[in-house]
Amino acid sequence: DQQVKQNSPSLSVQEGRISILNCDYTNSMFDYFLWYKKYPAEGPTFLISISSIKDKNEDGRFTVFLNKSAKHLSLHIVPSQPGDSAVYFCAARSSNTGKLIFGQGTTLQVKP
Amino acid sequence: NAGVTQTPKFRILKIGQSMTLQCTQDMNHNYMYWYRQDPGMGLKLIYYSVGAGITDKGEVPNGYNVSRSTTEDFPLRLELAAPSQTSVYFCASSPGQTIYEQYFGPGTRLTVT
Repeated sequence: DQQVKQNSPSLSVQEGRISILNCDYTNSMFDYFLWYKKYPAEGPTFLISISSIKDKNEDGRFTVFLNKSAKHLSLHIVPSQPGDSAVYFCAARSSNTGKLIFGQGTTLQVKP
Repeated sequence: NAGVTQTPKFRILKIGQSMTLQCTQDMNHNYMYWYRQDPGMGLKLIYYSVGAGITDKGEVPNGYNVSRSTTEDFPLRLELAAPSQTSVYFCASSPGQTIYEQYFGPGTRLTVT
């Protein structure tokens, strides 16, 4: 029972263009959503988050959008840079357990 | 500030052996977590702790044990290692309360053969 799904295992974009990473969830008890970035042989690092009471949060080149009715969130990276090449995980916090549930990850490749 | 540190980085175990994965954080965070990541999968919660002396099971606790005697340390014990425990293990910490972001260590890659 995958409560948080990232249906695209990989994504390739050209440097300077927009990268859009998607995440779907099923549990309506999720109240907070996070995106993490992971380079090989390193631990995940926190990137950006959004509360369920908002529909958009922006931090520099990174914007997260939340569509609660569709149970869908997305991460936009504009403009994409080669250093953005990494695995991106979305995670959702359950309001009744306080735990984070992670998606499977999407590997982003930004080509120079 | 070293953040979250984990040792060892790599380890190969034989079936039936035991070992302890070490995790230390210097951010004075109350909450600490152990996850495992299998290829192509997300992170699965093994155990977590909300403070010294308090631990609880996560999603996949079988075959593991934890203890939390100090705020800084949260070791994960594998007893009777099995090939199914081959994975990358991440320790994380967070302030907890209303701050939900977790800070991860660099991971331990464990192979059981």
